[in-house]
Amino acid sequence: DAGVIQSPRHEVTEMGQEVTLRCKPISGHDYLFWYRQTMMRGLELLIYFNNNVPIDDSGMPEDRFSAKMPNASFSTLKIQPSEPRDSAVYFCASSPGGGFEQFFGPGTRLTVL
Amino acid sequence: QKEVEQNSGPLSVPEGAIASLNCTYSDRGSQSFFWYRQYSGKSPELIMFIYSNGDKEDGRFTAQLNKASQYVSLLIRDSQPSDSATYLCAVSNTGNQFYFGTGTSLTVIP
Repeated sequence: DAGVIQSPRHEVTEMGQEVTLRCKPISGHDYLFWYRQTMMRGLELLIYFNNNVPIDDSGMPEDRFSAKMPNASFSTLKIQPSEPRDSAVYFCASSPGGGFEQFFGPGTRLTVL
Repeated sequence: QKEVEQNSGPLSVPEGAIASLNCTYSDRGSQSFFWYRQYSGKSPELIMFIYSNGDKEDGRFTAQLNKASQYVSLLIRDSQPSDSATYLCAVSNTGNQFYFGTGTSLTVIP
């Protein structure tokens, strides 16, 4: 298996623009997680899905953030409109079950100017 | 109080020494405990997990769990410069919620 795939790897955009981050989990994994990592706040869980259903989105910072998982092999995290404080590395991770280890994708480094 | 707490470091040890990384957690119902290593600019990768009280050894790595004290640690024996990274402690509770600590930065000095 290729592991968790994320795209794009780097994204530079201007404030106010819409940003869409994409993730393909490992096949057969029922859980998918979106994290944001910054030097100041470390690794923060934004939202996670179980069998394509959002379970906990309490970490989503604002209504500007939304996430979808239309099928078992694809998820998106959208920021609209983007702001400079959204600049961070966004990781997607998948897991074969609750409480099991998570496998991380390579991350998307987002810079909002 | 954070769910998982780690000393951010930096922790510096000479090559060949034992590095000791510590983590405390707040939820007594926590059942699964993980140590991830993250190199600069890379994603976290799992190096150890432990479910039961006591020690678990894997090569140069030993994870130690004490549920009564709500404490989990990672020992790295014969530390190598390639072990220099940030180590993240993660805890999963009965509700399958997963919490990461902020990580401890380790530098192994040749």
